[in-house]
Amino acid sequence: NAGVTQTPKFRVLKTGQSMTLLCAQDMNHEYMYWYRQDPGMGLRLIHYSVGEGTTAKGEVPDGYNVSRLKKQNFLLGLESAAPSQTSVYFCASSYWDQSNSPLHFGNGTRLTVT
Amino acid sequence: AQTVTQSQPEMSVQEAETVTLSCTYDTSESNYYLFWYKQPPSRQMILVIRQEAYKQQNATENRFSVNFQKAAKSFSLKISDSQLGDTAMYFCAFMKGNNNDMRFGAGTRLTVKP
Repeated sequence: NAGVTQTPKFRVLKTGQSMTLLCAQDMNHEYMYWYRQDPGMGLRLIHYSVGEGTTAKGEVPDGYNVSRLKKQNFLLGLESAAPSQTSVYFCASSYWDQSNSPLHFGNGTRLTVT
Repeated sequence: AQTVTQSQPEMSVQEAETVTLSCTYDTSESNYYLFWYKQPPSRQMILVIRQEAYKQQNATENRFSVNFQKAAKSFSLKISDSQLGDTAMYFCAFMKGNNNDMRFGAGTRLTVKP
């Protein structure tokens, strides 16, 4: 099994450009998450989904949108990138809520906005 | 809001020795979960250990154990018989009840020296 796969691995954007990060999992997990990791701050939850067709805001949702049209995919969109969105983005999934099942993470996407 | 504090940005330990990583948290909740995640240089996050707040017994997973002090809001991770493969960033995390918004500390970079 591939687990959680994120594409792309690296990306450089100019301010104002848009892009979509793709997360795919092949473990039939219900829950999926997008985190960002910044130096000295650990991971912060952007958005998450508790099932196909559902999304919810996390701790830092502003400037991002998400969609979960298929159970195995969770897309993170940046409509107008800003330098403050330079970060490493991690997708994760879990079979059920995190109190009962561990998170499985992808390898991350390093995004630089100039 | 819940906060998680890891006061040790970096630590090192000799191979085969024992090391303890500190974590404190702040919450008014009574039902919550605590986690330690490991992030090796490969960047993928891996669950090390979890603890339910309602359980008094400290969780253990092979060489990894925790010292959970609920009244002091402390959740330290002890790694026994340290191995070179334990070199990684270690993140302490808190989650309230079955809320999916997990809060991470800033991390402790552990280096195991041969």
